[in-house]
Amino acid sequence: QVQLVESGGGVVQPGKSLRLSCAASGFDFKTYSLHWVRQAPGKGLEWVSVISYNAAYTYYGDSVKGRFTISRDNSDKRLYLQMDSLRGDDTAVYYCVRPREGGGWYYPPSLDFNYWGPGTLVSVVS
Amino acid sequence: QSVLTQPPSASGAPGQRVTISCSGGDWNVRNYYVNWYHQVPGGVPRLLIYKDNLRPSGVPDRFSGSKSGTSASLAISGLRSEDEGDYFCAAWDDSLREGVFGGGTKLTVL
Repeated sequence: QVQLVESGGGVVQPGKSLRLSCAASGFDFKTYSLHWVRQAPGKGLEWVSVISYNAAYTYYGDSVKGRFTISRDNSDKRLYLQMDSLRGDDTAVYYCVRPREGGGWYYPPSLDFNYWGPGTLVSVVS
Repeated sequence: QSVLTQPPSASGAPGQRVTISCSGGDWNVRNYYVNWYHQVPGGVPRLLIYKDNLRPSGVPDRFSGSKSGTSASLAISGLRSEDEGDYFCAAWDDSLREGVFGGGTKLTVL
């Protein structure tokens, strides 16, 4: 069965960096684009970033552009989110999510996420 | 302020029908697929509707999606207590070149 498991969250000071990881299993990892979605405590969902199946294309939400970098290792079946210059409003649960269909890159990327990881909490506090 | 606008709350009695709206613009709702999610407190979001009006396997046909112009809607018929929670719409915004979610609608079953 499809599994996505995030790790790497924790407490960090403003201005510092953190790297999230998402370990995937149960599907052909290298054929799917993957996304990060976050949710601040008590707030709604916010799309963060997407990476194409072959890492050729990446897009970012405006609030993280220039500070976060999405990447993937298809041989290791892992998705990453490098978060630099962290701010208090980056505090959230970060979800690794997979859309329904893989098999190539199409623009715009699909936002039909039928698989979600349990999430990892990032707290940015001074 | 979300690019996609949803009412903050909705409610209905068991067995009734409720609709939740998602209002956007030409750069998102009108020209790109809308997806809907349900999240119960403490839980992970669950895909309810994709590509405007399609249901993933396992989602009851009590849930339906529609779209007209720059507005999309989620309808839930035969309300049940387990339908309570937060509902979010999502679409790609080609002006911003990013994914966008609505602010969410909290559904209460009276």
